[in-house]
Order: sequence, then C-alpha cells, then structure tokens
Amino acid sequence: ELKVEQNPLFLSMQEGKNYTIYCNYSTTSDRLYWYRQDPGKSLESLFVLLSNGAVKQEGRLMASLDTKARLSTLHITAAVHDLSATYFCAGLGDSGYALNFGKGTSLLVTP
Amino acid sequence: NAGVMQNPRHLVRRRGQEARLRCSPMKGHSHVYWYRQLPEEGLKFMVYLQKENIIDESGMPKERFSAEFPKEGPSILRIQQVVRGDSAAYFCASSSRDSEETQYFGPGTRLLVL
Repeated sequence: ELKVEQNPLFLSMQEGKNYTIYCNYSTTSDRLYWYRQDPGKSLESLFVLLSNGAVKQEGRLMASLDTKARLSTLHITAAVHDLSATYFCAGLGDSGYALNFGKGTSLLVTP
Repeated sequence: NAGVMQNPRHLVRRRGQEARLRCSPMKGHSHVYWYRQLPEEGLKFMVYLQKENIIDESGMPKERFSAEFPKEGPSILRIQQVVRGDSAAYFCASSSRDSEETQYFGPGTRLLVL
C-alpha cells in the first residue's frame, strides 16, 4: 500500500519568507497531487504532477516531483496571509484511482 | 458548471441512528469516490462507484456502511447504527474518467454522533 508522509505537519512563517513542504511516498505512484483545504471547507486541487522532473507554478506556489527519490516538494515564495491553510499531497495507490493522502501540513502565515 | 454537491453539510445523530449522506457529482462526471477524514488526519479512501456499480469498496468498514450510485439521482453513503467513532468529515469526489482525471471534491458532510 502506498504510504505518503508530509513534513512538517505544522508550519508558522512570517509574511515575505520562503519555505518548502516535503512529501515522501513509499512506492511508485503514477502521479502526485497537491490540494489545499481551508478550515471547514473542501479540498481545492492545486497541482497534478505526472512525470519525473515535473515542475508546476501558480502564483507564489511551486510544486516539483522527483520520482527516483519518491519526493515531491511544495515551495512557497514570499508568503502572504492568504496562503494560510492545510496543504495535502496525495498519490495514486496500486488501484490507480484511490488517492492516498498525507496527514497534511497546517500552514499559518503571520504578519 | 456547478461543482460537486453534498448534503447535508452538517449532520448530528445519536448512537444507533442511521446517517444518509448524499453526493451529486459534477456535470458530466460518472465516477464517484467517497473519503473519510478523521480529526487531524488526511483523507482515507472508502469506496469507488460508477453508475449502478460498486467498483471498489475495500476502504469501507464491512459492517453498517453501504454506498450506492443509482442510475438516477445522487450517490448515497449510508451508515447504519452509528457509533461515536463514525464522527468525521465525509467527502465525495468525482471525475470524468478513473485515474486519468483529477478528482474534484465536494464541500463534505460533517457527521457528529452524540
């Protein structure tokens, strides 16, 4: 079974700073997803990474995938308060359709 | 294009009662997935359905839980004789094709069992 581990689980950072969230997974996964969840809300799809070396960017967020290292990263550049949320990475398990989620990284951006 | 709809958004039940959670997928989507999120945890896969078919229910508890996706109407996740441990957020997701498309999530139903 695909296991997904994120770190850190909690992150408090100042506005304007940069930081990286790490997502390790245990076995081969065809694709890697990043989702954002605001408190009491649903999950919003941020990125889908399909192949080794894939890099995607949207605003202050950039995600990358290294399939050989079984590692994905979510890099935050010049954080702003609006980025405060919980970020989940997820991989497709052996079934090819069931998403296996990490525990999430709760990000708080402070002034 | 309306997103994935779920209702109710919040549901309170006493132990032993039944809970029915509804999910209407995005227009044009015929694949529905249910996930459960316990406090401070990531989402766990429960069941995958297509119209009138259960494709994979390996993540669903063997007893008290059932799911359906009829030809007409929403997908239903049914929990009989609820217990306190069933308290969680239940999310439904839909996609147009399995494993090829991103799963889009609904707002979730937060179930509280007293």
